[in-house]
Amino acid sequence: AQSVAQPEDQVNVAEGNPLTVKCTYSVSGNPYLFWYVQYPNRGLQFLLKYITGDNLVKGSYGFEAEFNKSQTSFHLKKPSALVSDSALYFCAVRDMNYGQNFVFGPGTRLSVLP
Amino acid sequence: GAGVSQSPSNKVTEKGKDVELRCDPISGHTALYWYRQSLGQGLEFLIYFQGNSAPDKSGLPSDRFSAERTGGSVSTLTIQRTQQEDSAVYLCASSRRTSGGGETQYFGPGTRLLVL
Repeated sequence: AQSVAQPEDQVNVAEGNPLTVKCTYSVSGNPYLFWYVQYPNRGLQFLLKYITGDNLVKGSYGFEAEFNKSQTSFHLKKPSALVSDSALYFCAVRDMNYGQNFVFGPGTRLSVLP
Repeated sequence: GAGVSQSPSNKVTEKGKDVELRCDPISGHTALYWYRQSLGQGLEFLIYFQGNSAPDKSGLPSDRFSAERTGGSVSTLTIQRTQQEDSAVYLCASSRRTSGGGETQYFGPGTRLLVL
């Protein structure tokens, strides 16, 4: 079975500082990994994904994530946080060898303080 | 182009009533997903449609929940005899064919259901 963990419910960071939102996963095969962001009263918006190839993936709004197979992690990063980045972030995984379902993590609330 | 749309945006109902939630996927997307998001929680998978294949209903929490997809496009999620624990935001997503597995899901804004 596949699973996703986001070990931090809440991440606080000062504006202009780098931010990291952590994600670890468990799959039986090779993973497809995704990050989504949810702003208040909105649906989820796609940020980036890892399918294959370069372990460092660049996405929307200056975000990037690094796939680390040995640590089964896919942490989301941004070099300089903006107040407007404050939102709920979800990591999701799909196991290439296990059906068609996505499994989402519980979400991490990011607060960027001015 | 147009994204995924859902209606209604908000629904208040009384316990025991039936409700229908609608999802219009992005044109040309053959895969459609329903999720439930309870307050402050992550996404709970409900059901998945892919083209003309039989839907994956493995996430439906009880037989009060059902969904259909007509003509491979619009989908309706029906909750019968609603209970207070059904209160949540119901999200719909669509994607292109999923045989490769890496296709991106695009989400609608959700329907916020409140059962009194």
